[in-house]
Amino acid sequence: DGGITQSPKYLFRKEGQNVTLSCEQNLNHDAMYWYRQDPGQGLRLIYYSQIVNDFQKGDIAEGYSVSREKKESFPLTVTSAQKNPTAFYLCATNGRGPSNEQFFGPGTRLTVL
Amino acid sequence: QKEVEQNSGPLSVPEGAIASLNCTYSDRVSQSFFWYRQYSGKSPELIMSIYSNGDKEDGRFTAQLNKASQYVSLLIRDSQPSDSATYLCAVNSGNDYKLSFGAGTTVTVRA
Repeated sequence: DGGITQSPKYLFRKEGQNVTLSCEQNLNHDAMYWYRQDPGQGLRLIYYSQIVNDFQKGDIAEGYSVSREKKESFPLTVTSAQKNPTAFYLCATNGRGPSNEQFFGPGTRLTVL
Repeated sequence: QKEVEQNSGPLSVPEGAIASLNCTYSDRVSQSFFWYRQYSGKSPELIMSIYSNGDKEDGRFTAQLNKASQYVSLLIRDSQPSDSATYLCAVNSGNDYKLSFGAGTTVTVRA
């Protein structure tokens, strides 16, 4: 069963805590992305990675960190430095082929208590 | 200036009518254009991709691209209540496979 999985589906964090969101894919896609979506807004790019052991900052990287040790996995850590982390977090992948199509996982909804 | 702009919603159409969604983009070198559908509380789902000028039809959906006018649209024919969702326009402008997204247009189909 191919696809993108994200866990957990819901996450509650106390202020001052770091939390890590999981994103796994078995599509054999090279590129992976993390987006943040706030109510009534579009998607904003946090970090992206085009190959293993390499990643780049997106438009809103401050307060976030990532790693890409395996092709299948691209975890996102939301650190205590992120001032307003409550949002819907979406992971996506892209096979980097001619179609350049990007596909999304089911998302993680993070709430800061 | 926003990179990708969509017509403001919400858009309400009666069942069976045509819903017309518009999107403009600022980067003239943009090459790939996408429409995603997002139901409330869910993640975006890719419904259309278009790469060259003209129309592309897939079932009840038609995407139209005009690169000279930097404009891409989505038509939903014979709208159904199940089409009620937010539609996101996305554009790729470079060789790094990144997408820029519009804020989305929410469509409500009235039964």
